[in-house]
Amino acid sequence: QKEVEQNSGPLSVPEGAIASLNCTYSDRGSQSFFWYRQYSGKSPELIMSIYSNGDKEDGRFTAQLNKASQYVSLLIRDSQPSDSATYLCAVRSNFGNEKLTFGTGTRLTIIP
Amino acid sequence: IAGITQAPTSQILAAGRRMTLRCTQDMRHNAMYWYRQDLGLGLRLIHYSNTAGTTGKGEVPDGYSVSRANTDDFPLTLASAVPSQTSVYFCASSDGSKNIQYFGAGTRLSVL
Repeated sequence: QKEVEQNSGPLSVPEGAIASLNCTYSDRGSQSFFWYRQYSGKSPELIMSIYSNGDKEDGRFTAQLNKASQYVSLLIRDSQPSDSATYLCAVRSNFGNEKLTFGTGTRLTIIP
Repeated sequence: IAGITQAPTSQILAAGRRMTLRCTQDMRHNAMYWYRQDLGLGLRLIHYSNTAGTTGKGEVPDGYSVSRANTDDFPLTLASAVPSQTSVYFCASSDGSKNIQYFGAGTRLSVL
């Protein structure tokens, strides 16, 4: 079992709809969770971080964390063509250890 | 502009040759990382450094070495390149407070 799992996609969503991206992780001791966006040929850029159970909203983006289910998700409201990218889920397991484990990413395509 | 600078942007290298990928950051981050990204495998950690003078092995360290003589620089060396080291290499650094990692633009390396 991979430590961080994501559906590789591609996930196609109509423009204006809600895109839902999911990620599960295996280490129950995980403390910090991140969503990165990566455009083709570019480097990953952070779009959301979440550290406690519940929802965290930032503009059109909402991150949801459920530690009991070992599940973190990213919702993108009012999806735009510019949201088309690969979304990487990353998890940090231990205090004092800054290493992240990345999922393989979900490729999202927003259809105009 | 503050950030992470990687060089070269791309390189074609003959197998057996030695190559050093350069990474410099001006954010005074303590921790730095080297990843490789391959299609279907996501980002995999090669080596990391929690602070100047210390380094550690990541998930795929074989064939690579690093040094961290100061806070700003974290070069990655391939002592004798092999075709399986063809990949995109990303350097990253983190601020230690929220463990957010920031990425350089990447180096695309082809070993023939």
